[in-house]
Amino acid sequence: NAGVMQNPRHLVRRRGQEARLRCSPMKGHSHVYWYRQLPEEGLKFMVYLQKENIIDESGMPKERFSAEFPKEGPSILRIQQVVRGDSAAYFCASSPRLAGGSSYNEQFFGPGTRLTVL
Amino acid sequence: LAKTTQPISMDSYEGQEVNITCSHNNIATNDYITWYQQFPSQGPRFIIQGYKTKVTNEVASLFIPADRKSSTLSLPRVSLSDTAVYYCLVGDAGYGGSQGNLIFGKGTKLSVKP
Repeated sequence: NAGVMQNPRHLVRRRGQEARLRCSPMKGHSHVYWYRQLPEEGLKFMVYLQKENIIDESGMPKERFSAEFPKEGPSILRIQQVVRGDSAAYFCASSPRLAGGSSYNEQFFGPGTRLTVL
Repeated sequence: LAKTTQPISMDSYEGQEVNITCSHNNIATNDYITWYQQFPSQGPRFIIQGYKTKVTNEVASLFIPADRKSSTLSLPRVSLSDTAVYYCLVGDAGYGGSQGNLIFGKGTKLSVKP
């Protein structure tokens, strides 16, 4: 069972361009989370999605950022008109359907996409 | 959500036992304590989780005192490959149908030397 896959691993964009980051969750996982990590910092939650639904986007900037998790295909984090401050590592995590009760819903992280804005 | 405090960095030598303590004075009744490990250029990886007393798995042990205001991650006989950042997370995220987003602090950067 392949782990969480993210591509590209490295992405370089010039200011004003668009960045598209892809995440394929583990097989059988219907929950996807996106996090951003700046150098020497912990991960910051951005958005939580289930298939075709955004459940919580409280951590995502109001402008230029959007995310989707279509019925078919990977989850996409899209950053429009990138600025230098968007340079960071973006991690995707997936988890299986929440079971409730006493079971813990572990999140499995991908290797990340390192975005560099020139 | 309970805030956590842990040392910024720690140094150790191969073969030693390493104990990383995390303070979480405002932990709530429903909160669990979870530790993640992150190697350079990789995503975090779940290590261990507990609610109270002691939990042990093949990787680490987690000690939680009765008041639950702190916890200690214990790594037995560390090797160079244990050099990583260790994050202590407190919350009910992912448990019992809760929302699930994890709250990471800056973590503890553990450096293991030969």
